[in-house]
Amino acid sequence: DQQVKQNSPSLSVQEGRISILNCDYTNSMFDYFLWYKKYPAEGPTFLISISSIKDKNEDGRFTVFLNKSAKHLSLHIVPSQPGDSAVYFCAAKDSGAGSYQLTFGKGTKLSVIP
Amino acid sequence: DADVTQTPRNRITKTGKRIMLECSQTKGHDRMYWYRQDPGLGLRLIYYSFDVKDINKGEISDGYSVSRQAQAKFSLSLESAIPNQTALYFCATSDRGGHKGGADTQYFGPGTRLTVL
Repeated sequence: DQQVKQNSPSLSVQEGRISILNCDYTNSMFDYFLWYKKYPAEGPTFLISISSIKDKNEDGRFTVFLNKSAKHLSLHIVPSQPGDSAVYFCAAKDSGAGSYQLTFGKGTKLSVIP
Repeated sequence: DADVTQTPRNRITKTGKRIMLECSQTKGHDRMYWYRQDPGLGLRLIYYSFDVKDINKGEISDGYSVSRQAQAKFSLSLESAIPNQTALYFCATSDRGGHKGGADTQYFGPGTRLTVL
């Protein structure tokens, strides 16, 4: 059973507009959430994270929102740029488990159209 | 120079062959991980190591083994490769202390594309 779900395999957005990538999770023990970005032929790179004690974290054009009651988080990119075109993975961690394992979603491919 | 390097970057092999994928890091991190990525399945954890003497199985360890030769080196072996091990393999590292807030961010290598015929 998938514990981290990214239900949209792909998303297309016009340059300059907002991109919203969504992620749902089922494990209530997850307490840290991360977003990774992956370009073709490269490894994933860390983008932004949020602790479960917060509901928002912002870093430049990237903002992550966490709704614990809905077990939902989203990544907002404003304004979107063509260089943002990549696959975005949502990941979650249960720190209490002691394993430091990250559970990844399947990814959403974002295409920003010039 | 890249902080996390993987060799080889691409490998084609035959069923039954033994294969070793290598990972080296210059970040000075204690923790290292091996993941595989299959199309449409995201990344799944194969093995992880907290230090040279600590090796742990991940979600999908069957058919794989690992060796932590030094703090900076973590290799993944397929003793007898089979076609369903065809995938993209990533090594990752993280720091013991994690970042402020404890996100324990993992840093990934560029990946090894393995094809088993």
